[in-house]
Amino acid sequence: DGGITQSPKYLFRKEGQNVTLSCEQNLNHDAMYWYRQDPGQGLRLIYYSQIVNDFQKGDIAEGYSVSREKKESFPLTVTSAQKNPTAFYLCASSMSGQIEAFFGQGTRLTVV
Amino acid sequence: KQEVTQIPAALSVPEGENLVLNCSFTDSAIYNLQWFRQDPGKGLTSLLLIQSSQREQTSGRLNASLDKSSGRSTLYIAASQPGDSATYLCAVEGRSTLTFGKGTMLLVSP
Repeated sequence: DGGITQSPKYLFRKEGQNVTLSCEQNLNHDAMYWYRQDPGQGLRLIYYSQIVNDFQKGDIAEGYSVSREKKESFPLTVTSAQKNPTAFYLCASSMSGQIEAFFGQGTRLTVV
Repeated sequence: KQEVTQIPAALSVPEGENLVLNCSFTDSAIYNLQWFRQDPGKGLTSLLLIQSSQREQTSGRLNASLDKSSGRSTLYIAASQPGDSATYLCAVEGRSTLTFGKGTMLLVSP
């Protein structure tokens, strides 16, 4: 089945540790996105990539890093510099800009 | 900067009612508008996509309209069912990315 897979579904991190969230898609989409969702705040864009080996910062990129070495993969690293990392993280992809976006099932990150 | 507002923030209706969810945006220079559904703890499911040149789209009991000039979209749900209970999100696409509203939480009671 075609789709977007995020793993793990739940992730716990100790303060001061970096952690990487996985996002893989087999839809042959060029563009991929990472969003953060907090209660009452809606979705906010962290990073996006429109082509392999290129990515741009979104509205809240501080404390996060990404890579886009392969078309199907767009991992997000939450670094220790991110002051409030506990949130629900959503990955999305689209064929290119201006076309319908599809989302994964999300990863809930909790800092303990 | 694009801002998207959804009204109401929450809505509770009895089963069978027709209902309207509203979405407004500040910058009319959009490429498309998309309505999503989100169940608790889950990802987003795309419901309808309206291209900027279109006025409306329909899928089953759902109908979405777009008025770019006034910066508004509505999602109409006919004959609501308990299974429609979820959060509904509106998103507009600018040059490269989607900007989301905060959503409308819908509860349809039997």
